[in-house]
Amino acid sequence: EDKVVQSPLSLVVHEGDTVTLNCSYEVTNFRSLLWYKQEKKAPTFLFMLTSSGIEKKSGRLSSILDKKELFSILNITATQTGDSAVYLCAVEARQATDSWGKLQFGAGTQVVVTP
Amino acid sequence: KAGVTQTPRYLIKTRGQQVTLSCSPISGHRSVSWYQQTPGQGLQFLFEYFSETQRNKGNFPGRFSGRQFSNSRSEMNVSTLELGDSALYLCASSSGLAGINYLSVTADTQYFGPGTRLTVL
Repeated sequence: EDKVVQSPLSLVVHEGDTVTLNCSYEVTNFRSLLWYKQEKKAPTFLFMLTSSGIEKKSGRLSSILDKKELFSILNITATQTGDSAVYLCAVEARQATDSWGKLQFGAGTQVVVTP
Repeated sequence: KAGVTQTPRYLIKTRGQQVTLSCSPISGHRSVSWYQQTPGQGLQFLFEYFSETQRNKGNFPGRFSGRQFSNSRSEMNVSTLELGDSALYLCASSSGLAGINYLSVTADTQYFGPGTRLTVL
């Protein structure tokens, strides 16, 4: 059975700290891994990763994928209180009878940044 | 471009009733996926529609159904509501073309709407 596991489930850090979030997966027919940030409502897209070893960056956030070891990390440097959210990892995979486009989500990591 | 819109934003129903939720994708997107989010189960995939056809399906009972119209707008229906159906229902839109053309994968990001909060009493 396909699975996506995120760790830690939650963490509390002080403003200015760096956080590293982990996402490991076991799926058949992997195609992409996505990171989303969810505050109060809808998840907002952060990154899509398809190739190993290529870091994606957006401001203080960065992410990388290791397709050999089947995991990804999301780093947030110089954290701010506005980074407080649930960070979701999702993997796009496909069963034989499916088409692409089906995302399987991890449980998420709750990040709390204190002033 | 306008984002994904969902209506209604909040809904309260009683057990046994049925409900219809609506999702309008980003202009030009042809794929709409539906997800259920609960504190216990997280985000779970319901189904995906592309060009008015259901292309992918999750592991939900037949009480959950959907459809897509020619303008790509999609509706989701839940019949005979149960207490456990209380959740945030999210739809996500994408071009859907990566389902056909592997080379388009990086352009096929799913963007989420604000969700419909359904409470079943």
